[in-house]
Amino acid sequence: DAKTTQPNSMESNEEEPVHLPCNHSTISGTDYIHWYRQLPSQGPEYVIHGLTSNVNNRMASLAIAEDRKSSTLILHRATLRDAAVYYCILRLGGNTSGTYKYIFGTGTRLKVLA
Amino acid sequence: DGGITQSPKYLFRKEGQNVTLSCEQNLNHDAMYWYRQDPGQGLRLIYYSQIVNDFQKGDIAEGYSVSREKKESFPLTVTSAQKNPTAFYLCASSIRSGAPLHFGNGTRLTVT
Repeated sequence: DAKTTQPNSMESNEEEPVHLPCNHSTISGTDYIHWYRQLPSQGPEYVIHGLTSNVNNRMASLAIAEDRKSSTLILHRATLRDAAVYYCILRLGGNTSGTYKYIFGTGTRLKVLA
Repeated sequence: DGGITQSPKYLFRKEGQNVTLSCEQNLNHDAMYWYRQDPGQGLRLIYYSQIVNDFQKGDIAEGYSVSREKKESFPLTVTSAQKNPTAFYLCASSIRSGAPLHFGNGTRLTVT
């Protein structure tokens, strides 16, 4: 079964870049890589997603390995508000009924130090 | 502002009672989902609906039921058949199946 593996926790200093790794060695060709983050007592928030090429948006960058077996979420300048649990998720390719499935791992708890 | 509203934020029930969790969205999204989150674990899919009047079981549907009579609403009933109902329940929607998910802020259910 498809799954993702992330470190349980990471620390970063404020205003420094953060690289959050994710391994997904069982990924298939049509599976998208999604990243969400979850603040305490809130629902997850979408961050970014990609298939093969690196992606940038206002929140973060996503670097995808050439073989797609791993990816890295990059926060360019961590702030205290970025402290959250970050989930690397595989969106499995749609089946014949057009239904997609998201596989959530246990996430990385990011601590940002002032 | 558009978004997903889950209510209540905290819910307490006695064992053996059914309880319904509310989820309303005003994003005009077709697809809606219910997930369960337990401490230290990722999210697990309970039920999902791609369109009004249609829904499918997810990975852990036993002991739960849903309805989708309106596009905006996707209530989840936790029945007495659910053996371990205490958890954090998250509702999500997406403009269509496969698009990024928008989550509500969850309902924390405690059954004693």
